[in-house]
Amino acid sequence: SAVISQKPSRDICQRGTSLTIQCQVDSQVTMMFWYRQQPGQSLTLIATANQGSEATYESGFVIDKFPISRPNLTFSTLTVSNMSPEDSSIYLCSVEDPTGTSSTDTQYFGPGTRLTVL
Amino acid sequence: RKEVEQDPGPFNVPEGATVAFNCTYSNSASQSFFWYRQDCRKEPKLLMSVYSSGNEDGRFTAQLNRASQYISLLIRDSKLSDSATYLCAFREGGFKTIFGAGTRLFVKA
Repeated sequence: SAVISQKPSRDICQRGTSLTIQCQVDSQVTMMFWYRQQPGQSLTLIATANQGSEATYESGFVIDKFPISRPNLTFSTLTVSNMSPEDSSIYLCSVEDPTGTSSTDTQYFGPGTRLTVL
Repeated sequence: RKEVEQDPGPFNVPEGATVAFNCTYSNSASQSFFWYRQDCRKEPKLLMSVYSSGNEDGRFTAQLNRASQYISLLIRDSKLSDSATYLCAFREGGFKTIFGAGTRLFVKA
């Protein structure tokens, strides 16, 4: 399994500002994923972050709005830029089984960052 | 048709009841299937993977029906601690996992 921490756990921000969310994993992983979960909705994949290359964004998400950094194999950041109330959501980072022993593509999630934009 | 659909519930059941959830998926190329559990204000955690032959883990049984493109989760002898949201998920073969919106279960004494 993987132990994932995220900072901050929650924040309340003013519209037009930006927030950077940090994700730290206790072991090296190749791929890290950033999800958004709005109340009562499913987890929506924002982007996949590989170390040493640009993140791959899903339809509806762009780098200018959600820039991602992946400086090493245990850390990533997601920035929510120029925020609006519609960005209010829970943002979760996720990794796959870092031991490489699971054959079932299990994903582990961080505790999430609860963002409220006023 | 949505990629994955789940009955949002809520399912309200008494302790000791048996409850079942279904989850349909639209992509017949889906290869891996999962049930995750998400407690209120917590992150999702893997409950069990779903194998073609079906699999059981204690009071939980998961089934896959490829012909009808759905997976199911059966919970026997429900406990209060089973109250949570259950998310189905599948993977098409790449690195992307698609999640359902979840089915809420309330088990009451």
